[in-house]
Amino acid sequence: EAQVTQNPRYLITVTGKKLTVTCSQNMNHEYMSWYRQDPGLGLRQIYYSMNVEVTDKGDVPEGYKVSRKEKRNFPLILESPSPNQTSLYFCASSTVGERLYEQYFGPGTRLTVT
Amino acid sequence: SQQGEEDPQALSIQEGENATMNCSYKTSINNLQWYRQNSGRGLVHLILIRSNEREKHSGRLRVTLDTSKKSSSLLITASRAADTASYFCATALAYNAGGTSYGKLTFGQGTILTVHP
Repeated sequence: EAQVTQNPRYLITVTGKKLTVTCSQNMNHEYMSWYRQDPGLGLRQIYYSMNVEVTDKGDVPEGYKVSRKEKRNFPLILESPSPNQTSLYFCASSTVGERLYEQYFGPGTRLTVT
Repeated sequence: SQQGEEDPQALSIQEGENATMNCSYKTSINNLQWYRQNSGRGLVHLILIRSNEREKHSGRLRVTLDTSKKSSSLLITASRAADTASYFCATALAYNAGGTSYGKLTFGQGTILTVHP
């Protein structure tokens, strides 16, 4: 089954404790992206990757890191989480050529930073 | 900054009625996409319209795109209670510059649709 998986689905952590949210897709998609969703703000793109070893900032990259060492995986790293990073996070992937096509979304990771 | 702005923020209708949601954006795009999200879940792609298209249909969905006005609308005809969800537009811009490929998707804030049985 074609899917995007994220782990963990729920995470409660404390300020400053490094964490990683994993994302994996089995569709051989070139493009992968992370979004955060906050009430009243919709989805905002954090980072995206056009292919292996190619990443770029989205609209709200501060406080986040990513890496794309393999095509299927795109982990999101919070080196020193803060309470303002409490949010619902989504990973997504798609094919890419001349244009970006439909995004396949993961189920989301609800992160709480206390 | 948010590229896609959606209107209305919330829409409440009766089953059988049509629902229309609008999306405006600010810059050039390759395509515009609409997504649906049930409460707290991942988004599901509904329909994509390319920048050189003006109208597209998929089942009970009709999407229009006016690039001169930088706006799009999503029409759901004969709505059902199961259509209750949040709907988001997303603008996609992919381009090459200096030998590097870029690709950004920008989502609107969404329209919350409630369909009463």
